[in-house]
Amino acid sequence: QQQVKQSPQSLIVQKGGISIINCAYENTAFDYFPWYQQFPGKGPALLIAIRPDVSEKKEGRFTISFNKSAKQFSLHIMDSQPGDSATYFCAASRIGSNYKLTFGKGTLLTVNP
Amino acid sequence: DVKVTQSSRYLVKRTGEKVFLECVQDMDHENMFWYRQDPGLGLRLIYFSYDVKMKEKGDIPEGYSVSREKKERFSLILESASTNQTSMYLCASRSGTGYNSPLHFGNGTRLTVT
Repeated sequence: QQQVKQSPQSLIVQKGGISIINCAYENTAFDYFPWYQQFPGKGPALLIAIRPDVSEKKEGRFTISFNKSAKQFSLHIMDSQPGDSATYFCAASRIGSNYKLTFGKGTLLTVNP
Repeated sequence: DVKVTQSSRYLVKRTGEKVFLECVQDMDHENMFWYRQDPGLGLRLIYFSYDVKMKEKGDIPEGYSVSREKKERFSLILESASTNQTSMYLCASRSGTGYNSPLHFGNGTRLTVT
């Protein structure tokens, strides 16, 4: 049972465009939703995270939108740049859970110059 | 900055060999993790440890074991390597379980079993 479903699997965007990656979760006990960014040859690194008590969080060009009733959250990258080309993973867990950070399957984003 | 170091970037092993993947973190984190990354499957948790000598199974523990004798070091052991264990292995550490305790990953070990 896949608890976090991520789409699309791959995404090609032109420089300056908006990249949107979507995730849906099943476990209503989840209360922490991070996004990780992974460049080729590197491990994933935390990009931005949100808790379900807010509907949106913005950090620079990156925004998480959260819809608790629909059990969905998404990452928006405004003014996408070639340097944003990477694999993006959404994840979900319960705060206080020692380990159970459940990841989506990842989205390979390519931003063309 | 937290540094998670995986001892090997690439490993090639033969079927049936016992394989050790080593990971060291330098930030005194309690929690350490081993993930496996495969194309189209994302990151899957193999094992984790929340204290020295403590371990718990993740989602795909079959064929693997772990060892944590010191707080900074967490080893993944493939008892008898098989070709379906060819993958990228990622170690991670985390200081706690709260909102401000992200996972810090190493750069991975790409293991090929022939």
